[in-house]
Amino acid sequence: QVQLVQSGAEVKEPGASVKVSCKASGYTFTNYDMYWVRQAPRQRLECMGWINAGNGNTRYSQKFQGRVTITSDTSATTAYMELSSLTSEDTAVYYCARYTSGFDYWGQGTLVTVSS
Amino acid sequence: DIQMTQSPSTLSASVGDRVTITCRASQSISSWLAWYQQKPGQAPKLLIYKASSLQSGVPSRFSGSGSGTEFTLTISSLQPDDFATYYCQQYSSYPWTFGQGTKVEIK
Repeated sequence: QVQLVQSGAEVKEPGASVKVSCKASGYTFTNYDMYWVRQAPRQRLECMGWINAGNGNTRYSQKFQGRVTITSDTSATTAYMELSSLTSEDTAVYYCARYTSGFDYWGQGTLVTVSS
Repeated sequence: DIQMTQSPSTLSASVGDRVTITCRASQSISSWLAWYQQKPGQAPKLLIYKASSLQSGVPSRFSGSGSGTEFTLTISSLQPDDFATYYCQQYSSYPWTFGQGTKVEIK
């Protein structure tokens, strides 16, 4: 069965970076795009960007351009999202999600807390 | 970016009720719309894609309709497991964007 398993919760200081992983199993990793979506408290879900797991091409939402980097390791069937220059506004749950027509599978979410 | 607006923001209903949630897009998105259900502490779950296609494994009491800028999610007979927050999401124009959510509460 398809599973997306994310790395654990993180606490970071303002100005730091965080890297979240998403291990995929149960399907051919390179056949699907992987997105990163975040959910901040009292905010709507936001798409941060995505990676074509087959060729490594990426696209980022303008809001996060310059601060987010999405990569993948096809041998490990794992996608990664790194967000830099963190502020308290980046405190949120971060999800990876497989894209088909809509997001059909999601990771369990990774809580990133930014606090001094 | 395309703005997605859901109504109502909160809905109180009883088991067995027919429930309808509306989602409006700031510009035409054809039928490129998905609906999700989210329960506290869980990831969203895909219910409907391409405006009206039922995702595999989702009960048939859920249905979606609409095209262009106006869409609806209908639950034909609300069940105890359906009390949750529902989101629409467009995937016509990147960045994909979500509605603000509709919380379905027990009346």
